[in-house]
Amino acid sequence: KAGVTQTPRYLIKTRGQQVTLSCSPISGHRSVSWYQQTPGQGLQFLFEYFSETQRNKGNFPGRFSGRQFSNSRSEMNVSTLELGDSALYLCASSLTGTEAQPQHFGDGTRLSIL
Amino acid sequence: GQNIDQPTEMTATEGAIVQINCTYQTSGFNGLFWYQQHAGEAPTFLSYNVLDGLEEKGRFSSFLSRSKGYSYLLLKELQMKDSASYLCAVRGDNYGQNFVFGPGTRLSVLP
Repeated sequence: KAGVTQTPRYLIKTRGQQVTLSCSPISGHRSVSWYQQTPGQGLQFLFEYFSETQRNKGNFPGRFSGRQFSNSRSEMNVSTLELGDSALYLCASSLTGTEAQPQHFGDGTRLSIL
Repeated sequence: GQNIDQPTEMTATEGAIVQINCTYQTSGFNGLFWYQQHAGEAPTFLSYNVLDGLEEKGRFSSFLSRSKGYSYLLLKELQMKDSASYLCAVRGDNYGQNFVFGPGTRLSVLP
């Protein structure tokens, strides 16, 4: 069974640009969550999608947005990139995202802003 | 507010037992998870507690006290490959993956 796949693995952008990251969950998983991981702030929850709807949202500015498609694949978009957006962006999926179901993480996209 | 505390770093010897503590203050509680993350890799699920008490899974056990907002991860018979960061995460809401992660504890296992 294939795991969570994130593309691209590495990305370099400059300030002011925008970026789109992709996540393909484990087959059958309908909940997809996105996290930002930095050395200073640790893992921070961005948002969660379930059945093409945003179900939960963390405390990030509106420049961070996402969506989920009917096949459960998800994309995350960051507009007007800032230096502070340099981080590892992790996607995690679970069956329905409730009760005892653990999340399965992808290897992440490392985004560097110059 | 939401706050989770863990020790930043711990060191232990191969074959020993180590306990990693986690204290939390969150709005709502619907389960506490422990994840392991090796450097440069994705976090992997270790354990889940939603009721008070001890959950045992081989060399790993996790304990929860909801009244004290406290959990610990116990690692027995430490191996070199256990050197990693250990993340405590609390789910606050009833639905979905609204997780708050702790800062992680970097464990170094020495020979």
